[in-house]
Amino acid sequence: DVVLTQTPVAQPVTLGDQASISCRSSQSLVHSNGNTYLEWYLQKPGQSPQLLIYKVSNRFSGVPDRFIGSGSGSDFTLKISRVEPEDLGVYYCFQATHDPFTFGSGTKLEIK
Amino acid sequence: EVQLQESGPGLVKPSQSLSLTCSVTGYSITSNYWGWIRKFPGNKMEWMGYISYSGSTSYNPSLKSRISITRDTSKNQFFLQLNSVTTEDTATYYCARYFRIRGYWYFDFWGPGTMVTVSS
Repeated sequence: DVVLTQTPVAQPVTLGDQASISCRSSQSLVHSNGNTYLEWYLQKPGQSPQLLIYKVSNRFSGVPDRFIGSGSGSDFTLKISRVEPEDLGVYYCFQATHDPFTFGSGTKLEIK
Repeated sequence: EVQLQESGPGLVKPSQSLSLTCSVTGYSITSNYWGWIRKFPGNKMEWMGYISYSGSTSYNPSLKSRISITRDTSKNQFFLQLNSVTTEDTATYYCARYFRIRGYWYFDFWGPGTMVTVSS
């Protein structure tokens, strides 16, 4: 199975600052169709996960442009600029390139 | 808008079967794909499997011998059955739409989740 290693485990942040989360894959996430199926989800406290980013860098409908996904191959990053209170929760990367689909271990964004 | 809602027993005894229902409104399950994901105590998340618009299925091999995903198109529901459960199957179970059209793949709509505890 593809292992997605997320760092850090927890990201203390001051509101208004930038946060950055890394997701590294044990193998390339480029699909045979040329797409890279790497997504980012946020699970806020008491809620179900919500899609932020799909195919590495595409923001889902309604997601603020403060969320920026980047990367290629097996190395990906989610940057959150000007962190707001509603951004707090656990962030997961997820890959659907290889079967079985797998999640990263999660990064908790918390107030410093 | 697409809405999903999980339902089923919150407590299952070891060695028994876990059965959950996902009721979908606002979209037909005969279109797209429909999946089950679970979150264990702590933060670990696991994709369990999905059922397609045609009824074909794909399962996580780690569960393959125990899992079955089926559907009732007349009720716009799909189901999860997990056999021979152990305490390690204690988790919050989510159903979600797996949007998969023209090279775009992602889980865009999720149910609120249902917590299942396996205990005697």
